Amino acid sequence: AQSVTQLDSQVPVFEEAPVELRCNYSSSVSVYLFWYVQYPNQGLQLLLKYLSGSTLVKGINGFEAEFNKSQTSFHLRKPSVHISDTAEYFCAVRPPWAYSGGSNYKLTFGKGTLLTVNP
Amino acid sequence: DTGVSQDPRHKITKRGQNVTFRCDPISEHNRLYWYRQTLGQGPEFLTYFQNEAQLEKSRLLSDRFSAERPKGSFSTLEIQRTEQGDSAMYLCASSPKDRNHGYTFGSGTRLTVV
Repeated sequence: AQSVTQLDSQVPVFEEAPVELRCNYSSSVSVYLFWYVQYPNQGLQLLLKYLSGSTLVKGINGFEAEFNKSQTSFHLRKPSVHISDTAEYFCAVRPPWAYSGGSNYKLTFGKGTLLTVNP
Repeated sequence: DTGVSQDPRHKITKRGQNVTFRCDPISEHNRLYWYRQTLGQGPEFLTYFQNEAQLEKSRLLSDRFSAERPKGSFSTLEIQRTEQGDSAMYLCASSPKDRNHGYTFGSGTRLTVV
């Protein structure tokens, strides 16, 4: 089984400031990692994903994340945020498709971090 | 690619009534998922279809819940005898045969049981 902990439920920042949203996970098997963004009353949009290879992953809207296997973390960063980045951000994991233990299609989400960008 | 469509966007129903939600996945996607999201929580897995076959149901899905995907195209999620605890956002997602592809989520159906 997997679990995801998003360490901050709310992160307020000023416009043009850098931001880091923290995500730690627990799993007995290797996992794929994802960050999704949810704007009010909308579904989830994929920001970026880590499947393998380089541990620094770049996504849409200027976001990037770094996979740290030893710390089981996948923190999301942006060097300069905009008002339009205000949204809920979810970290998620799932086993690789090659995993034979079952449920390798099931995403496990954290509880989310509300990013509020103030002028 | 028109995205994943969900209907209705919002549903208010009285306790005890039955409701049905519809999800139209991206046409070439053979995998379809339902998730439920309650206030302040991340989405939780409900069920998974590969083509028309329902391959897994979460323990969150009580006997009052049923999902179908006839002909492997659109899917419906029905809740019978709704309870206030069923109030949530119901999200549908789909993904293609390419196993490294991410999921595409719909905008969700927000259910309020009064």
